[in-house]
Amino acid sequence: DAKTTQPPSMDCAEGRAANLPCNHSTISGNEYVYWYRQIHSQGPQYIIHGLKNNETNEMASLIITEDRKSSTLILPHATLRDTAVYYCIVRVALGGSQGNLIFGKGTKLSVKP
Amino acid sequence: GAVVSQHPSRVICKSGTSVKIECRSLDFQATTMFWYRQFPKQSLMLMATSNEGSKATYEQGVEKDKFLINHASLTLSTLTVTSAHPEDSSFYICSARDAGATDTQYFGPGTRLTVL
Repeated sequence: DAKTTQPPSMDCAEGRAANLPCNHSTISGNEYVYWYRQIHSQGPQYIIHGLKNNETNEMASLIITEDRKSSTLILPHATLRDTAVYYCIVRVALGGSQGNLIFGKGTKLSVKP
Repeated sequence: GAVVSQHPSRVICKSGTSVKIECRSLDFQATTMFWYRQFPKQSLMLMATSNEGSKATYEQGVEKDKFLINHASLTLSTLTVTSAHPEDSSFYICSARDAGATDTQYFGPGTRLTVL
């Protein structure tokens, strides 16, 4: 079973920031938080990942709470092309079979004009 | 990010035939590749983990004799669906682990299999 909890759906206005929450209250000390997204009928796309520090790249920012029990993915200026299902996944990095990605149901983000 | 390709992107076959799907990591070497299956309106389900040069590890409930996996090189893994039936119709997606500093998995674009 997935170790994360996400809202099933969210709406966001085009041009505004999209903030996608994720709860992972049972996360272990050696588990990372990964975010992927899947646009309809395509393979998942890697977005970002982190351990305990906040992370930022060209796609998004990842904010992880100090206790690491939750995180938020931020798309700073959402566009219509960001409409997708977003998956928050916790996994052990560099760890054999424990490194498998187990997908939950994710959050369906709809960006509206 | 790194690029993973899959071929074919779409295949239609008759019941009882076998179908081979290729997964390639284009700009990195992948000692580990994964195969997923996704039914309509459902999430991805891990089928098996493929390690280069060794036998694949299958998830519970996945028939290893039906879904043959070969990972003969560091950039290529294949999934063969043998004696396909209509219930095998699904979206098959591979991923490859870039075990460098970031240890990140990158996914292929998927293969839509329709068994008539």
